[in-house]
Parts: sequence; structure tokens; C-alpha cells
Amino acid sequence: GIQVEQSPPDLILQEGANSTLRCNFSDSVNNLQWFHQNPWGQLINLFYIPSGTKQNGRLSATTVATERYSLLYISSSQTTDSGVYFCAVGAGGFKTIFGAGTRLFVKA
Amino acid sequence: DGGITQSPKYLFRKEGQNVTLSCEQNLNHDAMYWYRQDPGQGLRLIYYSQIVNDFQKGDIAEGYSVSREKKESFPLTVTSAQKNPTAFYLCASSPPAGEQYFGPGTRLTVT
Repeated sequence: GIQVEQSPPDLILQEGANSTLRCNFSDSVNNLQWFHQNPWGQLINLFYIPSGTKQNGRLSATTVATERYSLLYISSSQTTDSGVYFCAVGAGGFKTIFGAGTRLFVKA
Repeated sequence: DGGITQSPKYLFRKEGQNVTLSCEQNLNHDAMYWYRQDPGQGLRLIYYSQIVNDFQKGDIAEGYSVSREKKESFPLTVTSAQKNPTAFYLCASSPPAGEQYFGPGTRLTVT
């Protein structure tokens, strides 16, 4: 089955810093999502991005499907950005594979 | 408000008891999913359903059962056969092969 690898596994930032999170996947996919899991466990949809680039405020994402990776950019980080960021891919049908996540802590 | 609700938020059970977790959605989505998350880990798929009265096993279905009698509802039963049931359980829904939306989750503790 498809393997999904996220890097880095852990990241500590000073408030105001920028960061890039990476998601590599081992086979062709037909959908890709980025989620933020807050400290209470709620998964918040960030981007649905099988290919191309999208932006939403301080966050943007790029998926290069032909090279099997996606990047999530966080600019001017805030303490509320802390949590776990997950990449999830689907390769057909309804099955979705999640990466192990990147744990982000933003210091005030 | 449109969304996905899960109840209860916290659930405590004794070992050997079956327990049913509720998941309801009013997004008119055809597909629904159950995931399990262990501390510090990603999500693993337990079961999914593409349409009413149909469901398929995910990667870790052993010890779990589901039903899909209504489009809005997809309850998960954690049976006594599940060896390590203590975990965080998340329900999701989506249009066919589309963007998934998640409920707030149920934290199950079995002692």
C-alpha cells in the first residue's frame, strides 16, 4: 500500500518565524489533504490539494503530484498554530492513509 | 449548523463490555469513516461506508463492528474481542472520494 512520510517529526519555532512541513508519498494519489489537530484533538481542515498551490491567510500548500510530495508553508507563526499537522492521501476508492504527523510548538 | 457530531466525548468502560460510539452527520455525505488514534500516533482506518447498508473493513477492523442503516448515522461498536480498546476514536464523512470532515472525537478508556 501507499506509504506517507512527514517531516520533520517535531518542530519548535519562535513566534513570528516561518516554516515548511513536507509530506512524501510512495505512489500516485488522487486526493491529498492537510489537517491541523488542535490540543483538544479536533482535526481542522486546512487544504484539499491533490495538485497545484493554494493559499489561505498565513498558510499555503503546494502539491507536486508527479514528484509525489506536498509542502505546507506557515508564515509568521503564532502560538495558536501549535499542534499536530497531518497529511492524508487517497489513491482510489475511499481508503485514506495518514502520515504520522509533524508536531509543532510555537513559543511566545 | 452543518457538521459531524460524536457522543459521548469521554467514555469509561470495564474490560469485557461492548460499547457503542455514536456518529451523526447532517452534511448529506454518502461516505463515512471511523479512525482510531493512539497517543502520539497518526490515524488508522477501522471501517468505512460508501453508502447506506454497505461498509468495508479498514486496516484494523478486528474487534470492531459497524452498521449503516441511515445515511446520517454510522455507529461503531467496540467489542470485548478488541485487545487494546483504549484510544481516541474519530468519525469522518465526505462526498464520494472527496474532502473528509471530522467530528470532535470520543476518548474511550477501558480498565
